[in-house]
Amino acid sequence: AQSVTQLDSHVSVSEGTPVLLRCNYSSSYSPSLFWYVQHPNKGLQLLLKYTSAATLVKGINGFEAEFKKSETSFHLTKPSAHMSDAAEYFCVVSGPSSASKIIFGSGTRLSIRP
Amino acid sequence: EPEVTQTPSHQVTQMGQEVILRCVPISNHLYFYWYRQILGQKVEFLVSFYNNEISEKSEIFDDQFSVERPDGSNFTLKIRSTKLEDSAMYFCASSSTANNSPLHFGNGTRLTVT
Repeated sequence: AQSVTQLDSHVSVSEGTPVLLRCNYSSSYSPSLFWYVQHPNKGLQLLLKYTSAATLVKGINGFEAEFKKSETSFHLTKPSAHMSDAAEYFCVVSGPSSASKIIFGSGTRLSIRP
Repeated sequence: EPEVTQTPSHQVTQMGQEVILRCVPISNHLYFYWYRQILGQKVEFLVSFYNNEISEKSEIFDDQFSVERPDGSNFTLKIRSTKLEDSAMYFCASSSTANNSPLHFGNGTRLTVT
């Protein structure tokens, strides 16, 4: 069985400060992990993915995430937040096969203060 | 960059009416999916489709739902008799393979059932 937990429903940071969005997963096999971003009235855009290669994954717009098996975590970070980063972020876990094993977290809404 | 397109962006319908949500996946992708997101809730898997047949479906995808790939480019979701609780954002996605490939999502169709 797989599950994914996003620990914060809402994170607010000041522009120019670091961003940390937390994600923990549970999987009975080696998972693939993804972060997606959803801007208001837009679709879901892939930020980055982990598929058992390098544990530190770099994505678009300066985001990165580190896969930590010992902590079953895949937290999303960015060194310096920009106003355009305000959006909903989803951590997603996928198993080795089958679309029904693609599980979305409940989402974290990121707000950026000027 | 190729993208998944969905039409219409917003559909309003009366309870009991049939609706068809349309999607054009990325042209060389082989796997197609529908997800939905009820306002304020998680993104939920509905169905996956490969080789002209359903490969997986969730418990949400009951007899009132059907999918079709009528002409080799479109991928449609039909809801036969809409209910108020079908009001949601419906996302179409496609991927090149089922294993570990990220899903590419459309911008969604907001369905409002009155």
